[in-house]
Amino acid sequence: QQPVQSPQAVILREGEDAVINCSSSKALYSVHWYRQKHGEAPVFLMILLKGGEQKGHEKISASFNEKKQQSSLYLTASQLSYSGTYFCGTERVGRGNQFYFGTGTSLTVIP
Amino acid sequence: EPEVTQTPSHQVTQMGQEVILRCVPISNHLYFYWYRQILGQKVEFLVSFYNNEISEKSEIFDDQFSVERPDGSNFTLKIRSTKLEDSAMYFCASGTGIEKLFFGSGTQLSVL
Repeated sequence: QQPVQSPQAVILREGEDAVINCSSSKALYSVHWYRQKHGEAPVFLMILLKGGEQKGHEKISASFNEKKQQSSLYLTASQLSYSGTYFCGTERVGRGNQFYFGTGTSLTVIP
Repeated sequence: EPEVTQTPSHQVTQMGQEVILRCVPISNHLYFYWYRQILGQKVEFLVSFYNNEISEKSEIFDDQFSVERPDGSNFTLKIRSTKLEDSAMYFCASGTGIEKLFFGSGTQLSVL
């Protein structure tokens, strides 16, 4: 079963912050985040492997709460280039090589 | 930077016809995947392939689908008898593990 993301869509003005949430009904071994720009392939952003781990990539960071089976992606001081659809991805515990994407969050940054 | 390449970029076919989508994964990668994305929707897992065999597949990947690694470089997805609902963007991905996947630019399949 695919992870569920919220919100489904968000519109930001340049410089604003956003949080995208990802939750799963199944136990998570890791959480991955990808961004897909319109008409392009998904591109890897980061992976979180441990419960409670937080990682950052420029102004984009993420946290992973293994117990709650949730992850959040934080975008701060958003730029126009952040526009796209963000997907979390998970591999099922004990089911390596079965990698699922979440339902996706469309992020639009406007000037 | 090495990349995953997919051909063709667009494929138009008649319902009931067979199609083969081709992918050349990154050369030192060992894990290969096919995903599909219906326009405007989520990216759906189809199948993963490792050590010359399918390691996992989803319920979408029924008997109409098959994958092959016919030589050391290509990785193909075959749909035996296409249906209208097979119309989608098909992405190939590869990785040294599952930690980071590299995606090709996709093949847009249109079934008429």
